[in-house]
Amino acid sequence: SQTIHQWPATLVQPVGSPLSLECTVEGTSNPNLYWYRQAAGRGLQLLFYSVGIGQISSEVPQNLSASRPQDRQFILSSKKLLLSDSGFYLCAWTSSYNEQFFGPGTRLTVL
Amino acid sequence: AQSVTQLGSHVSVSEGALVLLRCNYSSSVPPYLFWYVQYPNQGLQLLLKYTSAATLVKGINGFEAEFKKSETSFHLTKPSAHMSDAAEYFCAVSVPYNNNDMRFGAGTRLTVKP
Repeated sequence: SQTIHQWPATLVQPVGSPLSLECTVEGTSNPNLYWYRQAAGRGLQLLFYSVGIGQISSEVPQNLSASRPQDRQFILSSKKLLLSDSGFYLCAWTSSYNEQFFGPGTRLTVL
Repeated sequence: AQSVTQLGSHVSVSEGALVLLRCNYSSSVPPYLFWYVQYPNQGLQLLLKYTSAATLVKGINGFEAEFKKSETSFHLTKPSAHMSDAAEYFCAVSVPYNNNDMRFGAGTRLTVKP
């Protein structure tokens, strides 16, 4: 069966520091992968998606970037965090019926 | 592009009462529709999905939803609420053959009173 991992689970970072969040998927090949951000009390905002290694599409202009160095690995990064980057970050992959399967999430607090 | 609207950001029911969470969609083509549940500090878990087969869809934990094209609705129901149903619920829509454009509603927080 397929599983999706994210780490770290929680992270507290100062403003201006770098960021690296990792997502890996097991049990499937060539998945479409997604990064979402969920601000407190709000819905999901799609940040990036990837249909293959090295292929990244950005949905919104922002302080973040994404990379896909391996088929089942998706990384979210920033060179300098802003206060507004705080939130709950979710990674997901998609099946043939478009349903998305989500990881456990990373709670990021920027102070 | 497709979209969903969830009516009511907060819904409160008593334990044992009917749960009804409302979702209306907009799509220029026949949509795929989904309900997800999110418990605090966790990812989203798929409750059920509609992918153009039976219009009444049964999901996990006793939930079901009915696709009504005439009303462009996909409301989520459960006959009898349980304390463990307290969570945030998200309706989502996508279109066939486009995995990368799933749109989520703003969510509805369900509270279950003892």
